[in-house]
Amino acid sequence: SQQGEEDPQALSIQEGENATMNCSYKTSINNLQWYRQNSGRGLVHLILIRSNEREKHSGRLRVTLDTSKKSSSLLITASRAADTASYFCAIGSSNTGKLIFGQGTTLQVKP
Amino acid sequence: GAGVSQSPSNKVTEKGKDVELRCDPISGHTALYWYRQSLGQGLEFLIYFQGNSAPDKSGLPSDRFSAERTGGSVSTLTIQRTQQEDSAVYLCASSPQHGLAGLNEQFFGPGTRLTVL
Repeated sequence: SQQGEEDPQALSIQEGENATMNCSYKTSINNLQWYRQNSGRGLVHLILIRSNEREKHSGRLRVTLDTSKKSSSLLITASRAADTASYFCAIGSSNTGKLIFGQGTTLQVKP
Repeated sequence: GAGVSQSPSNKVTEKGKDVELRCDPISGHTALYWYRQSLGQGLEFLIYFQGNSAPDKSGLPSDRFSAERTGGSVSTLTIQRTQQEDSAVYLCASSPQHGLAGLNEQFFGPGTRLTVL
């Protein structure tokens, strides 16, 4: 499958700790995107990193991309209870022209 | 401006009935996508519309599923003769398309939760 495979499936941390989620994929990519989903409803776009980029920041979010290992990581620093959600990586493939989503990581941040 | 809207937010139907789900994309967005998400799972791609091009229907799970996009704006996903396994959240997304579909940020609606009894 060319979809992103995420690790871990579930993560539980204390408020203030950092949370790291990983995404691996099998195909060549144009970009890799991370989305957040609260309560099983609509997704919110967090960050897009292109295949020629290695790292990108947005507020407390840091995304890295290693195309040689076909993997990406999302780091949330100084987590808050409000960060509790599911996080999905999505592979933007030039071959298929589609955005293919992984199965997601469920993050719980305990106050 | 307004985001992507979907209606209804919840739909309960009986097995065998037809249902229509509606999506209003962000004005000016030329690309529109439908996804399905079963409980605790990732998003399953269903169909993709881009401008006046023929839609990419490769993700539709059976011929009971169809979708239209009228006037390049509103889209309707129709499920005929619903089955219990059709129960899921159906998500619509749009994007200001530049180039191929997988290359841009997608903006999601809140979804329609479909329950087939």
